[in-house]
Amino acid sequence: AQSVTQLDSQVPVFEEAPVELRCNYSSSVSVYLFWYVQYPNQGLQLLLKYLSGSTLVKGINGFEAEFNKSQTSFHLRKPSVHISDTAEYFCAVSDGVLTGGGNKLTFGTGTQLKVEL
Amino acid sequence: NAGVMQNPRHLVRRRGQEARLRCSPMKGHSHVYWYRQLPEEGLKFMVYLQKENIIDESGMPKERFSAEFPKEGPSILRIQQVVRGDSAAYFCASSPEQAAEAFFGQGTRLTVV
Repeated sequence: AQSVTQLDSQVPVFEEAPVELRCNYSSSVSVYLFWYVQYPNQGLQLLLKYLSGSTLVKGINGFEAEFNKSQTSFHLRKPSVHISDTAEYFCAVSDGVLTGGGNKLTFGTGTQLKVEL
Repeated sequence: NAGVMQNPRHLVRRRGQEARLRCSPMKGHSHVYWYRQLPEEGLKFMVYLQKENIIDESGMPKERFSAEFPKEGPSILRIQQVVRGDSAAYFCASSPEQAAEAFFGQGTRLTVV
């Protein structure tokens, strides 16, 4: 069984400041890791993903995340946020492809990023 | 290449009625997943289907909920005799075989009154 913990339910930050959204996971097998963004009343958009290889993953809109296997973390970062980054961010894991269960995702409860002027 | 299409976007049902949610996967995708997002919560897996087969329904409530993905046409999530607690956003995602990325639709927001 897998689980994902997003420790911060809300993160307020001023525009142009850096931000880190935390994500920890637990799994008994190797996993794929994802960050999704959800704007109000919209679906989920993939920001970035870690499948294998380099532990530093770069995504869209200037976001990046680092996979840390020893700490079972996959924190999301952006060096300078914009008002338009205000949204809900979800961390997710999948091991389904490895175990024959397809791309079934286990999500965290989300972090609401609020960027203020 | 159109994305994952869900309809309707918004659905209002009275208690006791049936709700039918439709999902057309991306072209070439044969795997479909349904998730439910309750207010103030993350997405919870419900069911995973391939064409004409239910692969994993471990997240489906035992009663009133069913899903199908026929050979032709969209995937359908059906909720019979809806109750207020069924009010949520229901998201569909699709993926091609052997890929590790699922693409999401914009969801159907069900309100039970």
